[in-house]
Amino acid sequence: QQQVKQSPQSLIVQKGGISIINCAYENTAFDYFPWYQQFPGKGPALLIAIRPDVSEKKEGRFTISFNKSAKQFSLHIMDSQPGDSATYFCAARTYNTDKLIFGTGTRLQVFP
Amino acid sequence: DAGVIQSPRHEVTEMGQEVTLRCKPISGHNSLFWYRQTMMRGLELLIYFNNNVPIDDSGMPEDRFSAKMPNASFSTLKIQPSEPRDSAVYFCASTQDRTYGYTFGSGTRLTVV
Repeated sequence: QQQVKQSPQSLIVQKGGISIINCAYENTAFDYFPWYQQFPGKGPALLIAIRPDVSEKKEGRFTISFNKSAKQFSLHIMDSQPGDSATYFCAARTYNTDKLIFGTGTRLQVFP
Repeated sequence: DAGVIQSPRHEVTEMGQEVTLRCKPISGHNSLFWYRQTMMRGLELLIYFNNNVPIDDSGMPEDRFSAKMPNASFSTLKIQPSEPRDSAVYFCASTQDRTYGYTFGSGTRLTVV
């Protein structure tokens, strides 16, 4: 019940295309859903986050869509660029702790 | 701000040796987390501290692992004795409060041969 399931494991997109990464969870106590971006040799960095009282959040080319009833959330990267090539992790946190549970990651490759 | 600082960046050690990983969180952050990243298991939370007190160590794999946070600006993760299966990238992260996300360090790549 503590798991966050992420798909796909890898994704190849052409420059200018839309990248979509999906996550699903079971624990209804999760109340915060961030996405992290990780480049090789670096630690994960917070990209964008959403709370379950909002169905969508957009920051630049990055959008989180959240479906509370389906217990799913997704990251959309519009106009994908080669510089977006990285590993993306979804995560979730319960309301009464500080610990984040991470998905298994998606390796995104954007080709020019 | 210099961010979360981890040392060393790389560590190669022989099986059976003691390994100590170090972390300096961002000043003012009151929660600190140790994660381990491997291809097989992804990002696993090992332990986290709040106001220097260990809150949840349920992710610590076994007694060979221990972590301390003697003050607000320093934490260590120790493995004694180390084994080849401990080879991974170990990340430290900190956060100010529940409003903000974690800030991760650059990690320590540990190789046990």
